Amino acid sequence: NAGVMQNPRHLVRRRGQEARLRCSPMKGHSHVYWYRQLPEEGLKFMVYLQKENIIDESGMPKERFSAEFPKEGPSILRIQQVVRGDSAAYFCASSVGDEQYFGPGTRLTVT
Amino acid sequence: KQEVTQIPAALSVPEGENLVLNCSFTDSAIYNLQWFRQDPGKGLTSLLLIQSSQREQTSGRLNASLDKSSGRSTLYIAASQPGDSATYLCAGSLTETSGSRLTFGEGTQLTVNP
Repeated sequence: NAGVMQNPRHLVRRRGQEARLRCSPMKGHSHVYWYRQLPEEGLKFMVYLQKENIIDESGMPKERFSAEFPKEGPSILRIQQVVRGDSAAYFCASSVGDEQYFGPGTRLTVT
Repeated sequence: KQEVTQIPAALSVPEGENLVLNCSFTDSAIYNLQWFRQDPGKGLTSLLLIQSSQREQTSGRLNASLDKSSGRSTLYIAASQPGDSATYLCAGSLTETSGSRLTFGEGTQLTVNP
């Protein structure tokens, strides 16, 4: 059983561009979470999704950020018009019960 | 708002020592608690999960306990090895339903010297 997959592992975007981060949960897992780790800070929850539904988006910035988990395919975290402050490591986790399993993360650098 | 404090922020020990990492929550109404390790530039590896009905979990040289009345958890590492060097994170969830966001501490950076 492959673990949680994230791609790309590293992403460089210029200010104003869009960033798309992908997450494939572990096989059989129906819950997906996104967390962000800013430089020198702890991990912060962003959003929790199940297939075709956003369950909790209380940690998402109000503007420029969106997430989806379609019926088919990976979960996508989309950041529009990126700014330097968006530079961070973005981690995806999946679960089927109480335990969350994390992917290797996508490190976004905004230049 | 739930906040998580991990003490110490950093710890350096010689190989072979037993050590304890601490984690405390401002809101003691914790449902599940997970301990993770994070290696530099890498993702998180789940070490132990203490579910709502449990007070401790053990895996190999690791033992984690949770005192819900005080909102405190400890991770005990026995006979530490250089390969244990990493950042250790505790994280708790508050709700009783499956699928709940985790609130993380900022971690304890552990260095085990050979």
